[in-house]
Amino acid sequence: EVQLVESGGGLVQPGGSLRLSCAASGFTFSSYVISWVRQAPGKGPEWVSAISGGDFGSTQYADSVKGRFTISRDNSKSTLYLQMNSLRAEDTAEYYCAKSGSYQHYMDVWGKGTTVTVSS
Amino acid sequence: EIVMTQSPGTLSVSPGERATLSCRASQSVNSNLAWYQQKPGQAPRLLIYGASTRATGIPARFSGSGSGTDFTLTISSLQSEDFAVYYCQQYNNWPLAFGQGTKVEIK
Repeated sequence: EVQLVESGGGLVQPGGSLRLSCAASGFTFSSYVISWVRQAPGKGPEWVSAISGGDFGSTQYADSVKGRFTISRDNSKSTLYLQMNSLRAEDTAEYYCAKSGSYQHYMDVWGKGTTVTVSS
Repeated sequence: EIVMTQSPGTLSVSPGERATLSCRASQSVNSNLAWYQQKPGQAPRLLIYGASTRATGIPARFSGSGSGTDFTLTISSLQSEDFAVYYCQQYNNWPLAFGQGTKVEIK
């Protein structure tokens, strides 16, 4: 079964840091683009970042997180990461990792999400 | 940056009726358009990609059409499990972008 499982969410103060993880199974992790997508309470999904497959994945970021968030992957562990620094209240959301389809960036598999709350 | 606009915000439909949802892109996305369904407390689920191709396991009552800037998701005969929020997403350009959603509710 193809599966993505996020972890690492929690409560953090403004200006703090958090690292999210996404463990993949059931498919050849290294071959696919994987994204982080977040969803604030009562809002639609917002794409955050993506990393291409292979050993030296190229990265993309939404302007809202550029310079603060870093996406990375460890293909030997089939795990995706999101390092989040300088967190703001507006980063509060459910964070999902999602696998892209072959060669195209629709998202055909999603994890269940992990909750990030930025508050003092 | 491409902006995706969905209409209407809420659609009230009776079970068994047809529902038509719209999505408009601020510039052409060719056919690089996906639709998702989301129920409360769940992650989005892929319904349609390539504007008109149903994802694996998606019933035939869901159909997508359009290209360029204007797209439609049609649910031919609404079942109880179809009442949810629906999002479109363009993947023609970075950054990827979702619409704000259409909630399909029971009339």
